[in-house]
Amino acid sequence: GENVEQHPSTLSVQEGDSAVIKCTYSDSASNYFPWYKQELGKRPQLIIDIRSNVGEKKDQRIAVTLNKTAKHFSLHITETQPEDSAVYFCAAEGNTPLVFGKGTRLSVIA
Amino acid sequence: DAGVIQSPRHEVTEMGQEVTLRCKPISGHNSLFWYRQTMMRGLELLIYFNNNVPIDDSGMPEDRFSAKMPNASFSTLKIQPSEPRDSAVYFCASSPRRGQGKTQYFGPGTRLLVL
Repeated sequence: GENVEQHPSTLSVQEGDSAVIKCTYSDSASNYFPWYKQELGKRPQLIIDIRSNVGEKKDQRIAVTLNKTAKHFSLHITETQPEDSAVYFCAAEGNTPLVFGKGTRLSVIA
Repeated sequence: DAGVIQSPRHEVTEMGQEVTLRCKPISGHNSLFWYRQTMMRGLELLIYFNNNVPIDDSGMPEDRFSAKMPNASFSTLKIQPSEPRDSAVYFCASSPRRGQGKTQYFGPGTRLLVL
């Protein structure tokens, strides 16, 4: 089955700097890669997703890149703000339902 | 749209008691998922349904856990008997259809504490 590895587990950045979170997956049949943001005590919420026919997608300050050959995808957050502080999860779906990474706790220091 | 609805939001019970968690998916969604979240194990898929039919329950930890979906707008996750190690946040999520890159929308979760 699918296995998703996510790094780093924690990340601290200064406000205004960029943050990058990386994930790898094992199943070459996976073709959908969403990213979720979970604030403390809240539910995971989709912030951006990418499908296998696209290499990059951007939405304002967040972007996701996908390298199908290497089986890895990344989340990029630019100009970070304190409200970006949360746990971020990557996930992959193909023949199996979404498999989530373990999460990255992002802290943006003002 | 009210989104995915879960009840109760918090549950405190004693070991050995039966616990029933409830979920109402988004209207029109065909797939429903139950997850368990803990610090140690992260977000784990327990079971999912397509069109009210259980498709994969390989994530259900043991026979003490059972899930049903009697109709398209209601699902339950039952733990009987409950144990302290079942303490976690349980999320229900729904999507238009499993696969085909359909987004899952999560409910607010039920925080379960088993004493």
